[in-house]
Amino acid sequence: EVQLVESGGGLVQPGRSLRLSCTASGFTFGDYAMSWVRQAPGKGLEWVGFIRSKAYGGTTEYAASVKGRFTISRDDSKSIAYLQMNSLKTEDTAVYYCTRPRRDGYTPRPDYWGQGTLVTVSS
Amino acid sequence: NFMLTQPHSVSESPGKTVTISCTRSSGSIASNYVQWYQQRPGSSPTTVIYEDNQRPSGVPDRFSGSIDSSSNSASLTISGLKTEDEADYYCQSYDSSICVFGGGTKLTVL
Repeated sequence: EVQLVESGGGLVQPGRSLRLSCTASGFTFGDYAMSWVRQAPGKGLEWVGFIRSKAYGGTTEYAASVKGRFTISRDDSKSIAYLQMNSLKTEDTAVYYCTRPRRDGYTPRPDYWGQGTLVTVSS
Repeated sequence: NFMLTQPHSVSESPGKTVTISCTRSSGSIASNYVQWYQQRPGSSPTTVIYEDNQRPSGVPDRFSGSIDSSSNSASLTISGLKTEDEADYYCQSYDSSICVFGGGTKLTVL
């Protein structure tokens, strides 16, 4: 069974940094791309970015709203994907979900979702 | 980049059929697969349709998806509505480097 468990959320001041983790189990982590999707309180889903599998170079892509501030990385030996968030803004307040596509290491399509972790950016 | 536009809300009675549309702003709806997600209050989204019209195991066949190139849109149809279907529904599509979500549709079953 595919399981994705996010951690690392919490309250952080504007301008500070936070790193989220997504611990995966139930599948061969290194074979799949991993994406992050967020949802601000009472709002819709917003794609944040993703990282391809090593077979596709482990390259990353980001939404315009976070490009240059957020970085996604992965440790295939630990089955963990990370979301490093720098220069946080109040508008980054959201539940952050880790997702995985159904079958490939190349596309950002979310098929499986974690339970999410809440990040609150406030002074 | 393209946008996906959904109605803000729809409502229907139990036992009836409802269709939620998702219109792509530019580029062909057929050029990239469309997925649909259900999100109940306080829960994570779950996939109800993938690759335009495929149902994951465990999703009842009351849920179906389709695309229409003439209107450049995708649709999620739920038949035999149940009160448990009340939720937010999001369409999504992607290409090799971006993922786009529709704004979501609140389905009320009353």
